[in-house]
Amino acid sequence: NAGVTQTPKFRVLKTGQSMTLLCAQDMNHEYMYWYRQDPGMGLRLIHYSVGEGTTAKGEVPDGYNVSRLKKQNFLLGLESAAPSQTSVYFCASSYSSVWSSYEQYFGPGTRLTVT
Amino acid sequence: AQSVTQLGSHVSVSEGALVLLRCNYSSSVPPYLFWYVQYPNQGLQLLLKYTTGATLVKGINGFEAEFKKSETSFHLTKPSAHMSDAAEYFCAVTPDTGRRALTFGSGTRLQVQP
Repeated sequence: NAGVTQTPKFRVLKTGQSMTLLCAQDMNHEYMYWYRQDPGMGLRLIHYSVGEGTTAKGEVPDGYNVSRLKKQNFLLGLESAAPSQTSVYFCASSYSSVWSSYEQYFGPGTRLTVT
Repeated sequence: AQSVTQLGSHVSVSEGALVLLRCNYSSSVPPYLFWYVQYPNQGLQLLLKYTTGATLVKGINGFEAEFKKSETSFHLTKPSAHMSDAAEYFCAVTPDTGRRALTFGSGTRLQVQP
């Protein structure tokens, strides 16, 4: 049982390049989330999904797109990377059951640098 | 909208001393509250959570936290710090909504001095 995995672990992009971050979970969770972590700011929600085929914007969605074509995968895309998107990105997932207590399980993170 | 305030971005204690990390929240509905720990270059790991019931919650590694509704606080404590406790700690809150997303505090980095 791998839990939540993220690929890649590290990436360096030049301004204007595009890339996709992949998150996969094997816990059959309905809910999935993408956060970014910046020093002194905690984690901020970028986008989230409450089920296969559905996505919604979070707190800081600009410059990102997401897709959830399969229940176990949640992709985060950067169409034209900017230095302001240099950050550590975390994926998380959780159950949708009322008894789940909303606990989220986190992946190990992707460290992205945009030069 | 809910928010979380963690007082003190850095806390330093001696090994064996009491650890106290402060968290205050604001929420328009009864919250679920969490403490997560992040070790260097790793993801977030759940330490403990409060949902309903007993207001004193015990977690892993000897940590505990008490939900005080009147003070809108959820402070994290450990009676005796260990060197392995050095990490960053995040308080988080989520109300009972369909989004279920967590709102995080800005984090507190705990240093443990020998």
